Amino acid sequence: QVQLVQSGAEVKKPGASVKVSCKASGYTFTSYGISWVRQAPGQGLEWMGWISAYNGNTNYAQKLQGRVTMTTDTSTSTAYMELRSLRSDDTAVYYCARDGVNGGDFWYDAFDIWGQGTMVTVSS
Amino acid sequence: SSELTQDPAVSVALGQTVRITCQGDSLRSYYASWYQQKPGQAPVLVIYGKNNRPSGIPDRFSGSSSGNTASLTITGAQAEDEADYYCNSRDSSGNHPFGGGTKLTVL
Repeated sequence: QVQLVQSGAEVKKPGASVKVSCKASGYTFTSYGISWVRQAPGQGLEWMGWISAYNGNTNYAQKLQGRVTMTTDTSTSTAYMELRSLRSDDTAVYYCARDGVNGGDFWYDAFDIWGQGTMVTVSS
Repeated sequence: SSELTQDPAVSVALGQTVRITCQGDSLRSYYASWYQQKPGQAPVLVIYGKNNRPSGIPDRFSGSSSGNTASLTITGAQAEDEADYYCNSRDSSGNHPFGGGTKLTVL
């Protein structure tokens, strides 16, 4: 079945970096993009950015520009999200999501498959 | 503006109809998508496009849009529909901001 499986929980110190992986299966990886979304404890969803698995093009949320890098490895159907210079307010569950719903003649902007989430805790 | 605004909380009696709204300038140009999230779980897509439901989503969920407002309607709300609901849409820069979320309580 179509699924995204993420890497395990991480604990990092302020100023460090974290890299979360998201392995896709059950569909043609390069036919879709991947968006990354995070959720701080007790808070709402925050879209972080998008990467095309076809050509590696990216679009990052302005507030994270310069600290985030999204990449893909098409040989293993895996997407990665690296966040640098971690702060305490980066503590959150990080999700990857398949971006785009194929409606035949039209592609819809929507996230139809989600990973299980990766908890990243930033604490000294 | 790329902001999407939702009411923080809405309640509905069991079996009744509830509408959850999402406002934003980008909705004049782009469709909203809607996500249901239950505690400790990943979000689930419930509505996308004009009014499309993914496989497995009950037909009591429907979507609509008018001007700068998108709506998610649950007709005959069930106890299992109690959850947080988020809208999302793209903006002219290709970003995809979420609304702040609406906590739905089924009484």
